[in-house]
Amino acid sequence: EVQLVESGGGLVQPGGSLRLSCAASGFTFSSSWMSWVRQPPGKGLEWVANMKQEGSEKYYMDSVKGRFTISRDNAKNSLYLQMNSLRAEDTAVYYCAKSQRAVDSWGQGTLVTVSS
Amino acid sequence: DIHMTQSPSTLSASVGDRVTITCRASQSINSWLAWYHQKPGKAPKLLIYKASSLESGVPSRFSGSGSGTEFTLTISSLQPDDFATYYCQQYNSYPWTFGQGTKVEIK
Repeated sequence: EVQLVESGGGLVQPGGSLRLSCAASGFTFSSSWMSWVRQPPGKGLEWVANMKQEGSEKYYMDSVKGRFTISRDNAKNSLYLQMNSLRAEDTAVYYCAKSQRAVDSWGQGTLVTVSS
Repeated sequence: DIHMTQSPSTLSASVGDRVTITCRASQSINSWLAWYHQKPGKAPKLLIYKASSLESGVPSRFSGSGSGTEFTLTISSLQPDDFATYYCQQYNSYPWTFGQGTKVEIK
């Protein structure tokens, strides 16, 4: 069974940084594209970033380019999202996801709140 | 960016009803379309990928069709567990984009 467990969310001030982690199990992590998807409170889904299996390709939504960095450690079956220069509009539940067939498996999400 | 538009935004239906949700893309996405549903406080769940392929474990009452810019999700006989918000998503090109959602409510 695929399991994705996010951690690292919390309250951060505008301009601050946060690093999200995702522990993956139940599938061959090193063979899977991985994604981060977010959902602002009470709103719809927003794709944030994708990363290819070995890390040679990374893609980001425009509003986070230059501020967020997706990375992975295949030896640790882990996915990361480094978020810098955080803004109020980055407040959301952040989901770690496996993306071999669209977004086929999702974690339970971790809440990031950007507020002073 | 490719804009995805779902209709209707809200749908009221009864158990046993046949339900159809439409998703339109602002440009051709071939068949690179997925459907998800989400219940309050839970993560989304993949139902359909590549426009019409049923994800493993998803009941056969769910079906998807379409290609290019027009797509539909059909639930042949609505069950109590199906009351949720449904999203379409294109993964033809980056940035991946989602529709705004369709909330299926109890009539």
